[in-house]
Amino acid sequence: DAKTTQPTSMDCAEGRAANLPCNHSTISGNEYVYWYRQIHSQGPQYIIHGLKNNETNEMASLIITEDRKSSTLILPHATLRDTAVYYCIVRADSNTGNQFYFGTGTSLTVIP
Amino acid sequence: NAGVTQTPKFQVLKTGQSMTLQCAQDMNHEYMSWYRQDPGMGLRLIHYSVGAGITDQGEVPNGYNVSRSTTEDFPLRLLSAAPSQTSVYFCASGTYEQYFGPGTRLTVT
Repeated sequence: DAKTTQPTSMDCAEGRAANLPCNHSTISGNEYVYWYRQIHSQGPQYIIHGLKNNETNEMASLIITEDRKSSTLILPHATLRDTAVYYCIVRADSNTGNQFYFGTGTSLTVIP
Repeated sequence: NAGVTQTPKFQVLKTGQSMTLQCAQDMNHEYMSWYRQDPGMGLRLIHYSVGAGITDQGEVPNGYNVSRSTTEDFPLRLLSAAPSQTSVYFCASGTYEQYFGPGTRLTVT
């Protein structure tokens, strides 16, 4: 699975959009981009995933560049409860197993 | 739906002791996995299973055994605990969207 590169930490003002970047320049054509977050010491929580089209759900939007070498997770109106570590993962869907390889992620702090 | 449950929540072991971390899910997921998370680090995959009777190794399998006799349960066994295995252990289930348990905080002295 392709490796990803994320900034170590970011701040965002409460109520503003949080834009979290991720580089995955070696992504393969069959690999999806996933985003998870981990609040304090809880288990990670799924946010969103996509292949090449932009995706939106009730939590966030995922923007993938046309060459698929990078993506951005957007939290449209960040709240204090969005303070967490955000992980960007690329993974191929296959019948041999669905391993998620987590890096160290981006620590997002939402500031009042 | 209880989702993914893990027991115990906390455990202290002495070096050389063995124990089993329990994980159960009630979502009928075929895929289950175990991760460990050391302080300040991301999650690392220990073992995973794509269905009952099928298991495979992840990034850091040494010192751990798994088995999968039912769809619901995926226990992780520490054969002879070492201080390097002090960590938080997370179990997860699901194929595309993984659901994580609350974790087991293990200290080996």
